[in-house]
Amino acid sequence: DQQVKQNSPSLSVQEGRISILNCDYTNSMFDYFLWYKKYPAEGPTFLISISSIKDKNEDGRFTVFLNKSAKHLSLHIVPSQPGDSAVYFCAASGGSQGNLIFGKGTKLSVKP
Amino acid sequence: GAVVSQHPSWVICKSGTSVKIECRSLDFQATTMFWYRQFPKQSLMLMATSNEGSKATYEQGVEKDKFLINHASLTLSTLTVTSAHPEDSSFYICSAHEGGSWQETQYFGPGTRLLVL
Repeated sequence: DQQVKQNSPSLSVQEGRISILNCDYTNSMFDYFLWYKKYPAEGPTFLISISSIKDKNEDGRFTVFLNKSAKHLSLHIVPSQPGDSAVYFCAASGGSQGNLIFGKGTKLSVKP
Repeated sequence: GAVVSQHPSWVICKSGTSVKIECRSLDFQATTMFWYRQFPKQSLMLMATSNEGSKATYEQGVEKDKFLINHASLTLSTLTVTSAHPEDSSFYICSAHEGGSWQETQYFGPGTRLLVL
């Protein structure tokens, strides 16, 4: 059973517009959430994170929102750029072990 | 969907011993596998990239003689932590890259927790 779900396998956005990537989780013990970005044939790179004590974290063009009651988080990229085209993974951790549970990823395509 | 397994899921060993961790792609062939190390509540640290049939490429700062990686087949990569020390205690996670798929994504294994006493 997937504890972290990214239900949209792909997303296409026009350059300059907002990209919104969504992630849902089922385990209420998760208290730390991360987004990773991955280019083809490369390992994922850390993008942004948020602790469960916050509901928003912003870093430049990237903002992550956390809705604990809905067990939902989202990554907003604005404005979107062609270089943002990649696969984005949502990950969560919590409990005693602290290991990461990943979603299956969403491929973002930003068209010029 | 594509499944990646890791074995063992957790291991406790004595300092000075070696530990082998297996990463398998169960229903696809993985031309590339990645090994990561993750400390609690921190982001993943890429350790190395392994391609089937060739030597692994290690990230800067990762000791290749300490973390031996073998990718002998398209479905199996192994990470051996040699002469483990307590500071090697961590969560090790692999991912497998399936080339040619729609998203050229990689699939993560469930991870292996290593505790060195």
